[in-house]
Amino acid sequence: QVQLMESGGGVVQPGRSLRLSCAASGFRMKDYGMHWVRQAPGKGLEWVSVLWEDGSKTHYGDSVNGRFTVSRDIARDMLFLQMNDLRVEDTAVYFCARAGGSWYYLDYWGQGTLVAVSS
Amino acid sequence: SSELTQDPAVSVALGQTVKITCQGDSLRRFFASWYQQKPGQAPVIVIYGKNNRPSGIPDRFSGSNSRNTSSLTITGAQAEDEADYYCNSRDSTNNHVLFGGGTKLTVL
Repeated sequence: QVQLMESGGGVVQPGRSLRLSCAASGFRMKDYGMHWVRQAPGKGLEWVSVLWEDGSKTHYGDSVNGRFTVSRDIARDMLFLQMNDLRVEDTAVYFCARAGGSWYYLDYWGQGTLVAVSS
Repeated sequence: SSELTQDPAVSVALGQTVKITCQGDSLRRFFASWYQQKPGQAPVIVIYGKNNRPSGIPDRFSGSNSRNTSSLTITGAQAEDEADYYCNSRDSTNNHVLFGGGTKLTVL
């Protein structure tokens, strides 16, 4: 069955970098668009980025544009999120999710990885 | 406007019907999808497109759309339906994804 597993979260100081990973199983990542979505403690869902199915395009939410970069390794069915210049307000659980149906429907989600930005 | 607006909280008596709404200009052009999130868990999609339920989602969940509003209806709410519900769609002017602020559903 379809499974997504995030890793790479942790505690990091403001201004530093962190790279998240998302391992996919049960499907081939080359066949689907993939998203990152985050959720700050006690808050709602915030879309972070999308990597289109064919790998040709990426888009980012305004709050992370220019600091975060999404990429993938289709040979290993892995999705990545490189996060640079981290801020306290980036503290959240980060979920990877698969695009299903239309590219903005998220049909499978991982369990998330917590990123805490603190001095 | 590139926002989706939801009521923060809604309650329903056990076994009764509840409608959760999501408003936004982009919904005039694009369908929403709906997600259920229970504490400490990842979101689960319950409705997508015009009114489609993924496999495994009970048929008491349904969706509808009118003008700039998308609605999620639970007919005969159960205790296990108590959760946060989020709508999502896409922005009309760019390739951004939108989420509503979420609605906390309490089953009394």
